[in-house]
Amino acid sequence: QSGLTQPPSASGTPGQRVTISCSGSSSNIGTNTVNWYQQLPGTAPKLLIYSNNQRPSGVPDRFSGSKSGTSASLAISGLQSEDEADYYCAAWDDSLNGWVFGGGTKLTVL
Amino acid sequence: QVQLQESGPGLVKPSQTLSLTCTVSGGSITSGSYYWSWIRQPAGKGLEWIGRIYNSGSTNYNPSLKSRVTISVDTSKNQFYLKVSSVTAADTAVYYCARGWFDPWGQGTLVTVSS
Repeated sequence: QSGLTQPPSASGTPGQRVTISCSGSSSNIGTNTVNWYQQLPGTAPKLLIYSNNQRPSGVPDRFSGSKSGTSASLAISGLQSEDEADYYCAAWDDSLNGWVFGGGTKLTVL
Repeated sequence: QVQLQESGPGLVKPSQTLSLTCTVSGGSITSGSYYWSWIRQPAGKGLEWIGRIYNSGSTNYNPSLKSRVTISVDTSKNQFYLKVSSVTAADTAVYYCARGWFDPWGQGTLVTVSS
């Protein structure tokens, strides 16, 4: 199954702004909204951003999402040590009639 | 708030069928227009969507797993289920259940395929 493409790793120092990209196609990101999930070590993933740029209640406004064409991005500003986690993007794919995930990006706070 | 909990055998023999249950608490599985999904994650790897079910019983499956996967629901028990047949070591993973566009998630359950 074709998935979404994310960089395997990203890093930044405390206080910095980091962005993580997610590339797809016309059948997924190009047509449908994108969600982002944060997975802290040893825990289940948690919804971080939905509908491209909406934050669920309780998610700090340091996290933001955007989408343009067949790509999406997650931005984290004011990076903190507790942001060290794996981040996944996901979108519905109309051709596959199913959800597709990105491969995940491991964020390291230096 | 709604919580999900996976349960089932942690060890399955090769060629047998993996069976898991997801129990929904804090709300009815029939309330809201939600699909209920299964997702898995092999150790050290990314997330793979397995499939989903609506409370009416309508399903969608990952094409790469469709021939071996069955998802069902029992609204009277507020549970939905996953069966994966003819398992191999490649099916060893943490299996999660989740609501809608994956919010919330269960805590996950590790299933190991080994003789």
